[in-house]
Amino acid sequence: ETGVTQTPRHLVMGMTNKKSLKCEQHLGHNAMYWYKQSAKKPLELMFVYNFKEQTENNSVPSRFSPECPNSSHLFLHLHTLQPEDSALYLCASSQDLSSGRSEQYFGPGTRLTVT
Amino acid sequence: GENVEQHPSTLSVQEGDSAVIKCTYSDSASNYFPWYKQELGKGPQLIIDIRSNVGEKKDQRIAVTLNKTAKHFSLHITETQPEDSAVYFCAASAHGSSNTGKLIFGQGTTLQVKP
Repeated sequence: ETGVTQTPRHLVMGMTNKKSLKCEQHLGHNAMYWYKQSAKKPLELMFVYNFKEQTENNSVPSRFSPECPNSSHLFLHLHTLQPEDSALYLCASSQDLSSGRSEQYFGPGTRLTVT
Repeated sequence: GENVEQHPSTLSVQEGDSAVIKCTYSDSASNYFPWYKQELGKGPQLIIDIRSNVGEKKDQRIAVTLNKTAKHFSLHITETQPEDSAVYFCAASAHGSSNTGKLIFGQGTTLQVKP
């Protein structure tokens, strides 16, 4: 176990549904990340939060809405998704961005299927 | 922006043989290069990393080499075992006073170790 947990592990949703993915880290880190992993493609960074503040939005469509209420928790709110959004969504954490410690630790991911 | 190319996409070796995976990067400012192992149904696990101030780093059966002039780095696994079978990802990140935490990943290499 890496100290990063994600729930749910699997999610099937229709295009009109609203759902949320949750990530929690128990490593005392202050930076958290959302990545998208699709088949046959490299991991794509979506969002970065540092001390609860968003520092990176990698041109992600507005149907994905992140929330970081504190340094230990990160959410990804989903609404009106498209079938091409089906993928494995990975959460990661690291020390804060100015710490000089770049190591990122990943959770197990949420396998999302949009029908 | 940064681009990371990883080769080969698949690699099959006999147990006990060595395996080498290579990556090239485009941004000369990149100075942190982690390698991740992803097993089926799990998130990527950091297995080794190297920073630009060293040329080689070793941890038991795995080693990473870095050639900053040529902008490429490699993962070497010796005495491979069936449990080494997984997908391996390289990544590159620019880290410094303006660290964004942004990791750019290669496309992944599926390693199969045959008993």
